[in-house]
Amino acid sequence: EAQVTQNPRYLITVTGKKLTVTCSQNMNHEYMSWYRQDPGLGLRQIYYSMNVEVTDKGDVPEGYKVSRKEKRNFPLILESPSPNQTSLYFCASSPTDPSPSSYEQYFGPGTRLTVT
Amino acid sequence: AQTVTQSQPEMSVQEAETVTLSCTYDTSESNYYLFWYKQPPSRQMILVIRQEAYKQQNATENRFSVNFQKAAKSFSLKISDSQLGDTAMYFCAFMTLFNAGKSTFGDGTTLTVKP
Repeated sequence: EAQVTQNPRYLITVTGKKLTVTCSQNMNHEYMSWYRQDPGLGLRQIYYSMNVEVTDKGDVPEGYKVSRKEKRNFPLILESPSPNQTSLYFCASSPTDPSPSSYEQYFGPGTRLTVT
Repeated sequence: AQTVTQSQPEMSVQEAETVTLSCTYDTSESNYYLFWYKQPPSRQMILVIRQEAYKQQNATENRFSVNFQKAAKSFSLKISDSQLGDTAMYFCAFMTLFNAGKSTFGDGTTLTVKP
């Protein structure tokens, strides 16, 4: 089954304790992206990657790191989480041009993160 | 920077009727993609429809269609024959080809379909 998986789905942690949220896709997509969703603010892009070893900042990259060492994986790292990073996080992937479905994003199920 | 505005935070419609969700965007680019995504109570994000800016023909997917007005920078979603399963939050999204990969979403419209 074609899918994007995220782990963990739920995480409660304390301020300053490093954590990683994993994201993996099995569709051989070039493009992957991380978003956070907060009430009333829609989805805001954190980082995105057009291919292996190519990453770029979205609108809200502060406090986050990413890496793309393999095409299928795109982990999100919070080195020193703070309460303002409490949010719902989504990973997404899509094919790029010249695919007929280029940039149609497939989303993971989301990770609910609470930082106390 | 691109912006996407959804001016209707909440809407409701009776089952089987038609509803239109509004979206406007601001960009100086000429080549881009526009999308509508649906987020039901399960929180899963699902693509509804996609429009390429260079195509003048409005996209349609079964009961879902768009009214794409490039000059007005407007991209509304029409849902015909609304069904209870259409109850969800709907997000309008923009991606420019100039900076491919950078994606901007609107704040969303919560649609409730009433029986």
